[in-house]
Amino acid sequence: DVKVTQSSRYLVKRTGEKVFLECVQDMDHENMFWYRQDPGLGLRLIYFSYDVKMKEKGDIPEGYSVSREKKERFSLILESASTNQTSMYLCASKSLSGANVLTFGAGSRLTVL
Amino acid sequence: AQKITQTQPGMFVQEKEAVTLDCTYDTSDQSYGLFWYKQPSSGEMIFLIYQGSYDEQNATEGRYSLNFQKARKSANLVISASQLGDSAMYFCAMREFSGSARQLTFGSGTQLTVLP
Repeated sequence: DVKVTQSSRYLVKRTGEKVFLECVQDMDHENMFWYRQDPGLGLRLIYFSYDVKMKEKGDIPEGYSVSREKKERFSLILESASTNQTSMYLCASKSLSGANVLTFGAGSRLTVL
Repeated sequence: AQKITQTQPGMFVQEKEAVTLDCTYDTSDQSYGLFWYKQPSSGEMIFLIYQGSYDEQNATEGRYSLNFQKARKSANLVISASQLGDSAMYFCAMREFSGSARQLTFGSGTQLTVLP
């Protein structure tokens, strides 16, 4: 089975800190995604990457950046964390071929104080 | 406008009964796909079922079936014989295949609680 691993399940950071959320997938998927999940809003796409070093903004990219230097790893970066970025962050991956199903990681719950 | 609407923030069902979770969608594309995901309290999103817009038969996967009514733009999830382990958040999602759309659009979710 495809596995998507998010390095941190729970993080607590202070306003203004730089935050890295790491995501690694082990099935050679081309596409990777970062979503943010908030109660009542469902999942909203922050950024996605369709190949190494390639990225596109999603629906809510403000305040975030991403890095994809290797195919298996997709990092979400909060340059200067703010309290309104307290949320659950979900990483997902998908192969270009075959089904359109996303495989998700377990999520990273970030609290910014 | 919302592309995916889930009007039931919370639902309760008795164990062993069937339950329907509602989902309506909005698209002008002819080619699209509809998905349901389950999110237990552990947080990981689990894919349940997929329906393509050109599929004539309703999709089924074990106890899950998708009641696809294209003219009404609805894609309700039916869970038969509910189990306690079905208690979770359920998300409906859509992918439009035209243009350069590459991501899923998710609804706001329905929290299902199965009662013993």
